[in-house]
Amino acid sequence: QVQLVESGGGVVQPGRSLRLSCAASGFTFRTYGMHWVRQAPGKGLEWVALIWNDGSNINYSDSVKGRFTISRDNSKNTLYLQMNSLRAEDTAVYYCVAVISFYFEYWGQGTLVTVSS
Amino acid sequence: QSALTQPPSASGSPGQSVAISCTGTSSDVGGYNYVSWYQQHPGKAPKLIIYDVTKRPSGVPDRFSGSKSGNTASLTVSGLQPEDDADYYCSSYAGSHIFVFGSGTKVTVL
Repeated sequence: QVQLVESGGGVVQPGRSLRLSCAASGFTFRTYGMHWVRQAPGKGLEWVALIWNDGSNINYSDSVKGRFTISRDNSKNTLYLQMNSLRAEDTAVYYCVAVISFYFEYWGQGTLVTVSS
Repeated sequence: QSALTQPPSASGSPGQSVAISCTGTSSDVGGYNYVSWYQQHPGKAPKLIIYDVTKRPSGVPDRFSGSKSGNTASLTVSGLQPEDDADYYCSSYAGSHIFVFGSGTKVTVL
């Protein structure tokens, strides 16, 4: 069955960096667009970034543009999110999501990132 | 990239119906038939329940239905069940490879 397993979360100081990974299995990864969606504690969902199936198109929300970088390795069925210059407001559970069209079809269980001194 | 507007809460007794609105603009909800809805139980990942405004993924009960009029989309849950007690989020494509979520609605089954 479809599995998306995020890793790399943890506690990090403001201004530092962190890289999240998402290992995909159970579906043809290279045919799906991939997104990161986050949810701050007790808050709603926020779309963060997307990358097309072949990496030809990438986009970010205004709140992370210039600080976060999304990438993928289709040979390893893995999605990444490089997060630089982290801020307290980046504290959230980060979900990796597979998208075939314009809706979020398959979700991982999420990894918690806490930005705190 | 402003969040779509949803009511914070809604409630109903088992067997009743509840409707949740999702209001955006002509640049997102009103501009595309790409509204989707997600159910989230505490501590769990969201689950897709409606896509392309009205379509249900395989396995989602037909108690869940979606619609749209102008800049407002709606999710209706008919015949409320105890397991429908959850948070619900709408989402819309907003053009230029941008997506936006709603603020979320807590549905309580009384």
